[in-house]
Amino acid sequence: SQTIHQWPATLVQPVGSPLSLECTVEGTSNPNLYWYRQAAGRGLQLLFYSVGIGQISSEVPQNLSASRPQDRQFILSSKKLLLSDSGFYLCAWRGFSFGNGYTFGSGTRLTVV
Amino acid sequence: GNSVTQMEGPVTLSEEAFLTINCTYTATGYPSLFWYVQYPGEGLQLLLKATKADDKGSNKGFEATYRKETTSFHLEKGSVQVSDSAVYFCALSPSPVGGGGNKLTFGTGTQLKVEL
Repeated sequence: SQTIHQWPATLVQPVGSPLSLECTVEGTSNPNLYWYRQAAGRGLQLLFYSVGIGQISSEVPQNLSASRPQDRQFILSSKKLLLSDSGFYLCAWRGFSFGNGYTFGSGTRLTVV
Repeated sequence: GNSVTQMEGPVTLSEEAFLTINCTYTATGYPSLFWYVQYPGEGLQLLLKATKADDKGSNKGFEATYRKETTSFHLEKGSVQVSDSAVYFCALSPSPVGGGGNKLTFGTGTQLKVEL
């Protein structure tokens, strides 16, 4: 069966520090991968998605970047965090079946102080 | 473009009350429709789905029927429990015309609070 792992679960980082959040998927190949941010515990904002190794599409220009160095690995990064980067970050994957939705990871709670 | 509209929350109910959370959508063709649930501090979980008109998705006592004529996918439960307190997201997947990263379009979420 397919599983998705996301870590760390919580992170407190000072303003100006770098960031690296990692997401890996098991049990499938060539998934579509997504990074979302959720502010104030409500709406979802799509940040990046990837349809293959090295292929990254950015939905919202910002202080963050994403990379996909391996088929089932998706990394969210920042060189210098801002206070406004605080939020709940969710990774998700999706196969190519039309009827299937996303499977989400358990999320990372990032607090920038 | 595609869009999903959900009723504003929070929705506060007493235990055993009937629940309806409205969801309407705008999309071309025949999208798939989904309801996700997010418990506090957790990621989203798929609750139910429907892939064609008049399909009814159901899970854990929750139901939603894909109504193409009214472009709606309202979530219902006959008797809610305190453990159902969570945020509920309606989402759509556009018809498989290819490209665009196979993305889902989400509503803004509706918070449900169930009290004893």
